[in-house]
Amino acid sequence: DAMVIQNPRYQVTQFGKPVTLSCSQTLNHNVMYWYQQKSSQAPKLLFHYYDKDFNNEADTPDNFQSRRPNTSFCFLDIRSPGLGDAAMYLCATSREGLSSSYEQYFGPGTRLTVT
Amino acid sequence: TQLLEQSPQFLSIQEGENLTVYCNSSSVFSSLQWYRQEPGEGPVLLVTVVTGGEVKKLKRLTFQFGDARKDSSLHITAAQPGDTGLYLCAGSDNYGQNFVFGPGTRLSVLP
Repeated sequence: DAMVIQNPRYQVTQFGKPVTLSCSQTLNHNVMYWYQQKSSQAPKLLFHYYDKDFNNEADTPDNFQSRRPNTSFCFLDIRSPGLGDAAMYLCATSREGLSSSYEQYFGPGTRLTVT
Repeated sequence: TQLLEQSPQFLSIQEGENLTVYCNSSSVFSSLQWYRQEPGEGPVLLVTVVTGGEVKKLKRLTFQFGDARKDSSLHITAAQPGDTGLYLCAGSDNYGQNFVFGPGTRLSVLP
């Protein structure tokens, strides 16, 4: 089945130690998103790629970076994680075009713990 | 900036009861989606509505998009414990450039 895959599901890192989260998709969607979701809150968009074009949200800290080497893969890099970065990180995809309704399909998420 | 509000924030009901949750905005949306998210998992798309006044049914779930495309409702008939989760509405403008989530309604259905 076509899907969005995130690895790992659980990640523990130390304060200040760089960490990379991975997302892959078999939907062949042209847009990929990274969200941060903290407990009891809605997902918060960090950035998205429209094809190869990177779009950063204005309030996303510089500590968060992203790479999309090809259509299928997207990475979230946290350069120096702080305790406040502990959260669920969600990857999503959508197929955007003239006839699309901009539905987003989510992966299962990576739960990041910072010690 | 488009904003979505959801009510109620929390809802706890007994199995078999009916319920309605709401998603409201002062802005017009070209499409609106409803998602359900279970603990520790990503949101799962339930439905997309695009036409003002549209009603869609998914088994015991009925979704309605307001005539002015500024609000939506989700009605669940005879709720079951498996319906427990966080219900999120999300919408975008005509060009999909401003995709926003509401804060969600956390539903708990007790057996």
